[in-house]
Amino acid sequence: EPEVTQTPSHQVTQMGQEVILRCVPISNHLYFYWYRQILGQKVEFLVSFYNNEISEKSEIFDDQFSVERPDGSNFTLKIRSTKLEDSAMYFCASSEPSLGELFFGEGSRLTVL
Amino acid sequence: RKEVEQDPGPFNVPEGATVAFNCTYSNSASQSFFWYRQDCRKEPKLLMSVYSSGNEDGRFTAQLNRASQYISLLIRDSKLSDSATYLCVVRPSGTYKYIFGTGTRLKVLA
Repeated sequence: EPEVTQTPSHQVTQMGQEVILRCVPISNHLYFYWYRQILGQKVEFLVSFYNNEISEKSEIFDDQFSVERPDGSNFTLKIRSTKLEDSAMYFCASSEPSLGELFFGEGSRLTVL
Repeated sequence: RKEVEQDPGPFNVPEGATVAFNCTYSNSASQSFFWYRQDCRKEPKLLMSVYSSGNEDGRFTAQLNRASQYISLLIRDSKLSDSATYLCVVRPSGTYKYIFGTGTRLKVLA
């Protein structure tokens, strides 16, 4: 069964460092997403990406964040100058052209010290 | 008003019980509706999509009331394995954004 894969599963970084989280969406999907879940809180939308550009982003997704699809398979989230409050689980998701079900990866846990 | 609102629970029910969860959404132009299940520290997984006419999948029944902007999920004959957090998800029309509720925690007790 096709699945969304994410790496790393867990990353520990020092405050102020840059991190890149990687995702391989399902191959025939056209819409890609990043969501964040702080421990004990709800799943929050960060950004959606379609046709090689950001289609929508939330207030959380400020200049500290960026996304890229550097080749035909990877979809990355870059977080610059990390802060303690960036500690969370980051989920990548993808969706078919019909914008039906969202398929999630297993998540990347980011811990900022 | 929150975009998608759910009672956080927890709902503690005995095995075999029937339990119902509700969800309200604020955007009347919402187009797509889903129930997801999330186990502790895992990714959300689709339980079922919610259709206008209501739909059933085994022990699970979902209903949509567009006039009241309300979605429900009914679980019959609860199993221990149903213990999880149930997330209501809404996608407004004209957007790419799927909005999650805070989730309702269910614990099924032996």
